[in-house]
This record gives sequence, structure tokens and C-alpha cells, in this order.
Amino acid sequence: GENVEQHPSTLSVQEGDSAVIKCTYSDSASNYFPWYKQELGKRPQLIIDIRSNVGEKKDQRIAVTLNKTAKHFSLHITETQPEDSAVYFCAASPGRGYQKVTFGTGTKLQVIP
Amino acid sequence: SAVISQKPSRDICQRGTSLTIQCQVDSQVTMMFWYRQQPGQSLTLIATANQGSEATYESGFVIDKFPISRPNLTFSTLTVSNMSPEDSSIYLCSVTRGQGSETQYFGPGTRLLVL
Repeated sequence: GENVEQHPSTLSVQEGDSAVIKCTYSDSASNYFPWYKQELGKRPQLIIDIRSNVGEKKDQRIAVTLNKTAKHFSLHITETQPEDSAVYFCAASPGRGYQKVTFGTGTKLQVIP
Repeated sequence: SAVISQKPSRDICQRGTSLTIQCQVDSQVTMMFWYRQQPGQSLTLIATANQGSEATYESGFVIDKFPISRPNLTFSTLTVSNMSPEDSSIYLCSVTRGQGSETQYFGPGTRLLVL
């Protein structure tokens, strides 16, 4: 089955700096890659996703890149703000109607004011 | 997205007892899933709740321990049976909407503590 590795497990940045979280996956059949943000005591919320026919996707301060050949994808947050502090999970899924998603181990991001 | 509610939001239970968690969605959804999130950990899929038929369980999870029902397209229950302290966790349901849609939306979770 699919295995998703995520690094780093914790990340501290100064407010205004950029943060990068990296994930690798094992199943070449995976073609849907969502990212979730989970604030303390809250549910995971989708912040951005990318499909394998796209190499990069951007939404305001958040961007995701995908390298299918190397089987890795990354989340980039620019101009970080204290409210970006949370745990971020990457995930991978074969998509195409098979909707089981495998999650990475999570990255705890702390943005220091 | 979908409006998803779970009951109870939290509970404290004695070992050996069972707890049934409900997941209600505001409109029809395609798929419903149940996850477990142990403290400080990632999300682990327990099973896919299938409407009108037995749930599909992931490796390491069995129906006797985690019976699941899904009587219709908007409602599902997960029972945690014969609980032990190791079952202390957050249990979350998630849903997808639309045929072929991969995006999962999560319920608020049920925080369970077993003493």
C-alpha cells in the first residue's frame, strides 16, 4: 500500500519568513495530493490540493509543488503569520474515484511573532 | 464543503464498556470514512462506511471491535467496543461529495478517554 513520509516533524520560523514542508510517497499510482491544516483541538481542514497533471498550484500565500518522477511534493507558505501556527498533514490518494487517502505523519509549524 | 456533526463531542468511559459515535451530514454524500487520531499523531483510517452493506476495514481494524453502520447517505455510526485505555483517541468521520470526488471533509471529532 501507499506510504507517505513527511519532513520536518517540527518547524519554527519567524513571522514573515517562509516555511517549506516536504513529503514523499511510494505508490506511483497516486495522483491526488491534498494538504490539511489542523489547529489545536480542531478538525483537519483542506487548505490546498494538487493533481498529478499539474506541477504547481498557488493560492495566495500557499503553494504546492509536485514532482511525479521523484515522487515528492512540497507545501510552501510565504510571509508566515502567527495564525499559520498549526499541524500540517500531507496526503496521497490514487484518485480516479478510489478515494482512500494516506496521510503523512504531520509537521507542527510554529510562527514566532 | 459539507456541514458535518458528530456526537458526542467528548466522553470519558470505563474500560470494558462500549461507546457509539454518530456522524451526521447535512446533505447526501458519496463516501463516508472513520479515522482515529491518537494524541499527537496522524490520522489512521479505520474503515470506509458503505451504505446498506458491511464496512470495509483497514488492516489492523476488525468489525468486532469497531462495528460501523451506515443506514443512509447522510448518517453513520462507529462503535468502539470493549474499550481499553489504548482506545483513548480522537475519532473523526470524513465525507466526500460527488461521484469521483477525492476531497475529504472532516467532522469535528469525538474525543474519547478510557479509564
